[in-house]
Amino acid sequence: KAGVTQTPRYLIKTRGQQVTLSCSPISGHRSVSWYQQTPGQGLQFLFEYFSETQRNKGNFPGRFSGRQFSNSRSEMNVSTLELGDSALYLCASSEMGPNTEAFFGQGTRLTVV
Amino acid sequence: GNSVTQMEGPVTLSEEAFLTINCTYTATGYPSLFWYVQYPGEGLQLLLKATKADDKGSNKGFEATYRKETTSFHLEKGSVQVSDSAVYFCALQTGANNLFFGTGTRLTVIP
Repeated sequence: KAGVTQTPRYLIKTRGQQVTLSCSPISGHRSVSWYQQTPGQGLQFLFEYFSETQRNKGNFPGRFSGRQFSNSRSEMNVSTLELGDSALYLCASSEMGPNTEAFFGQGTRLTVV
Repeated sequence: GNSVTQMEGPVTLSEEAFLTINCTYTATGYPSLFWYVQYPGEGLQLLLKATKADDKGSNKGFEATYRKETTSFHLEKGSVQVSDSAVYFCALQTGANNLFFGTGTRLTVIP
């Protein structure tokens, strides 16, 4: 089985721009979660989607949004980029429900200049 | 609320030394507990997990026991190798299906 695939691996954007990151979960997994990893704040939960519905959301501003498609692929969007949005964005997929193992992708490294 | 407090790093050990990385947690309800490992340039990989009190998770020589009375889940390995050099994250998960992570501990093992 293919693992979780995140594209692109690296991105450089300018302040004020917007960006879209993509995540393809493991086949058969219906839950996709997004995390932001920074040296200062560590790993923080952004949101989780299950069957195209946002099921859970972390404490991030409305500039961060996401969606999930019928094939379980997910995208996250960050609008009006700020320097502080520079981070590694990790996507994780799991089958469904609580306490099922989360499998992580390699992440997208976003640099905002 | 939910939170994980993890031993500060970095930790540097000689090959074959004993490893302990401390992790304590605060949670509502009865969480599952995890240790994840992150190698350079990679995402997170699940190392081991425990889903209820007194469970012991183990993998690749690493062990951790879910201690409800001390709200702890310390990671141990009897003899570390150079290939164990990585960043280790303790995490908890509640029924809401998102993970709460500790700050991570960077381990460097020198030959």
